[in-house]
Amino acid sequence: DAGVIQSPRHEVTEMGQEVTLRCKPISGHDYLFWYRQTMMRGLELLIYFNNNVPIDDSGMPEDRFSAKMPNASFSTLKIQPSEPRDSAVYFCASSDRATNEKLFFGSGTQLSVL
Amino acid sequence: RKEVEQDPGPFNVPEGATVAFNCTYSNSASQSFFWYRQDCRKEPKLLMSVYSSGNEDGRFTAQLNRASQYISLLIRDSKLSDSATYLCVAGRGGGGNKLTFGTGTQLKVEL
Repeated sequence: DAGVIQSPRHEVTEMGQEVTLRCKPISGHDYLFWYRQTMMRGLELLIYFNNNVPIDDSGMPEDRFSAKMPNASFSTLKIQPSEPRDSAVYFCASSDRATNEKLFFGSGTQLSVL
Repeated sequence: RKEVEQDPGPFNVPEGATVAFNCTYSNSASQSFFWYRQDCRKEPKLLMSVYSSGNEDGRFTAQLNRASQYISLLIRDSKLSDSATYLCVAGRGGGGNKLTFGTGTQLKVEL
């Protein structure tokens, strides 16, 4: 299995620009999670989906953040407009009902907003 | 107060040493507990689950104290390759199992 695939690996953008992060979960996994990691706050859960449906988005910091999962094999996290404080590593992770305690993480997207 | 708290370290230990990390969690409703390992600039990976009875996986031993709401990880005979950040995790259990991660404890094993 290819594991969770995220793109891009690195993103550098200017304040005010739209940023779209992409994730392909492991085939057959029905849970998908978006996390953000910073030195100060560690790993924070932003939102998670079950069977493509958003279940809990209480971690999404502001309306500038939105996430979609149009099908079982693809999800996006969009920031519009981006701000310097959004700079962080964004991880996508997936799990399945049988082993939903074990999260498989993608390699992350390092986002820098200048 | 953070929901899961850990000493950030770093813990610098010689190869072969035994090292222990502790972590506390504040949500008494937490039902599942884990240790994840994260190498520099990499994604977190599950190291082991933590059970009430305590559990061991090779050189690693994890324990849970529900009364005091703390979790521990013991690493025996530490190797250079154990150098990483160890993340303590608490979950509410059930479908989706929303996990809360600590900020991690950094371990550096030296020659």
